[in-house]
Parts: sequence; structure tokens; C-alpha cells
Amino acid sequence: EPEVTQTPSHQVTQMGQEVILRCVPISNHLYFYWYRQILGQKVEFLVSFYNNEISEKSEIFDDQFSVERPDGSNFTLKIRSTKLEDSAMYFCASSGTGITEAFFGQGTRLTVV
Amino acid sequence: AQSVTQLGSHVSVSEGALVLLRCNYSSSVPPYLFWYVQYPNQGLQLLLKYTSAATLVKGINGFEAEFKKSETSFHLTKPSAHMSDAAEYFCAVKAPDSSYKLIFGSGTRLLVRP
Repeated sequence: EPEVTQTPSHQVTQMGQEVILRCVPISNHLYFYWYRQILGQKVEFLVSFYNNEISEKSEIFDDQFSVERPDGSNFTLKIRSTKLEDSAMYFCASSGTGITEAFFGQGTRLTVV
Repeated sequence: AQSVTQLGSHVSVSEGALVLLRCNYSSSVPPYLFWYVQYPNQGLQLLLKYTSAATLVKGINGFEAEFKKSETSFHLTKPSAHMSDAAEYFCAVKAPDSSYKLIFGSGTRLLVRP
């Protein structure tokens, strides 16, 4: 069964460092998303991406964040200068039509120390 | 704007008992509604979805949910709980023909007692 895969599963980084979280969406999907879940809190939308550009972003997704689809298979989230409050589980998701369900990856747990 | 409220951060049931997880939504347009499950240390798995077709939606693992417009609810049920159902359950809403983002509720952790 096709699935969204994310790497790494866990990343520890020092405050101020750049991190790149990687995702391989389901191959024939067209819409891509990043969500995050701070420990003990709800899952929050960060950004959606379609046709090689951001289609929507939340207020969380500030200038420190960027997304890219560098090739035909990968979808990345970059945080330029990490803060302690960026510590969270980051989920990548993709959907075919963008209208119905999104399929989520297993997540990357980011710990900023 | 769309929003979702899940009543009860923790629900505990005995194995074999009815599972009822509550979700109420707020939406200015007919919504698309979803239930996702998150097992420990795993990602979010879709249980079922409502996209304006049948109001009673059947999902995986014996779960179902009923869309009730008059009550703005989309409660998740399962007739008989199994130990393997222990997980966190998230209700989510998306406005059709609009933003593609999902708005999640705060989640309900289901505990199943032997």
C-alpha cells in the first residue's frame, strides 16, 4: 500500500541551527502539506503546497520556515534558525485531489536543545 | 471559520463495551469531516470521512460516525472495544471547495481496560 515516508524519525538540533525535514509523498499525489504537533497539544496546519508553490500557510509558518520540492519525489521543510519552541512532531501529508482525505507520514520528532 | 471541539481528553472503557468519542464542529458551510487515529509513536491514520454523501459513515476497524447537521456533531462509535483500539483519536474539519488545510480537534485518548 502506498504510504508517505518521512526522514529522519527523530532529530536533535541545537538552537539556532538549520534543519531540513524530508518527506516522500505518495507518488501520484499533487497536494502536499506540513503539520506539527507540539507535545500534548493539537495537530496544527503549517503549509500546503501545490503546483510548485505554496497554496496556503498558517501564521505559524513565518520567514524562518520554507518548503521545497527539489525533485519529483521529495518534499522538504526547512527551518532556518531553530528555536526551543520549534520542538514538536512534524507530519508530512499528501492528497490526490486536495478535496478529500490527506495521508500522513509517521512524523519526525524534532528536539531543539 | 471552521473549528472542532472534542469533548473529553480521555475516555476509558472496558473491553467489549461501546466506544463513543464526541466531536462537534463549527463551520459556515457544509463541512468535510474526518476521524484520524494515532497509535503510540506512529503517524495519523484515517479512520473514516464524511464528504456530504451518506450521513452514517463506516470506517476501518469497525468504527463508524454519524453526521448530524442539527447538532453540528460527528461522533465516533464502535459497538465493542478491543484492546488494540487504545490510541489517540482526532476529529478534523475541512471546508469544501476552499482551503485544503485540516483543522484538528485537541484529541481524545481512548483507554481500554481488560
